[in-house]
Amino acid sequence: GAVVSQHPSWVICKSGTSVKIECRSLDFQATTMFWYRQFPKQSLMLMATSNEGSKATYEQGVEKDKFLINHASLTLSTLTVTSAHPEDSSFYICSARSAPFTDTQYFGPGTRLTVL
Amino acid sequence: KQEVTQIPAALSVPEGENLVLNCSFTDSAIYNLQWFRQDPGKGLTSLLLIQSSQREQTSGRLNASLDKSSGRSTLYIAASQPGDSATYLCAVYNTDKLIFGTGTRLQVFP
Repeated sequence: GAVVSQHPSWVICKSGTSVKIECRSLDFQATTMFWYRQFPKQSLMLMATSNEGSKATYEQGVEKDKFLINHASLTLSTLTVTSAHPEDSSFYICSARSAPFTDTQYFGPGTRLTVL
Repeated sequence: KQEVTQIPAALSVPEGENLVLNCSFTDSAIYNLQWFRQDPGKGLTSLLLIQSSQREQTSGRLNASLDKSSGRSTLYIAASQPGDSATYLCAVYNTDKLIFGTGTRLQVFP
């Protein structure tokens, strides 16, 4: 149980284009989903927290107009990287939880984004 | 602001050794602490979750301890194997956020 999937697993795009990454909770309803990014040989940094049906809360320094997050249903959240640039190349990982903040987060397998 | 540090940053050991990975955090007001494993280019695998009221958790060859008052956790790996080679991350639950440590890259050679 508690499986989270991400799609695509990897994507290569040209600079200036937009890329959408999906995060799905397959066997539970996720009231909250989280998006992280990870640069090579670095740890995970929280980008934003999204609750179903409401606007995402972004961490300091994360551009909300560049990283659009939508959590339209209890099983799906999407992250859209708009007008991507090479510096946006990173490993993006989502997680989901079904209960208030004392419950554990379940992580997706990650999406490798490369912007040329 | 919560900061999570892991020592050592990298570790290379021969097979069979018992290992201790350290994690320290600056704010002791945490809910839970979790240890993860990450293989190169892959997502996270949860290893152990220690709730704030617990002092340790065990799973197979892994044992994790938590001392909230001193802001420390350790992950003990018994009889290490080459398959244990990976990056190990600790993370603390602060209110509704998960704050990750800097990671320890472990290599176990035959």
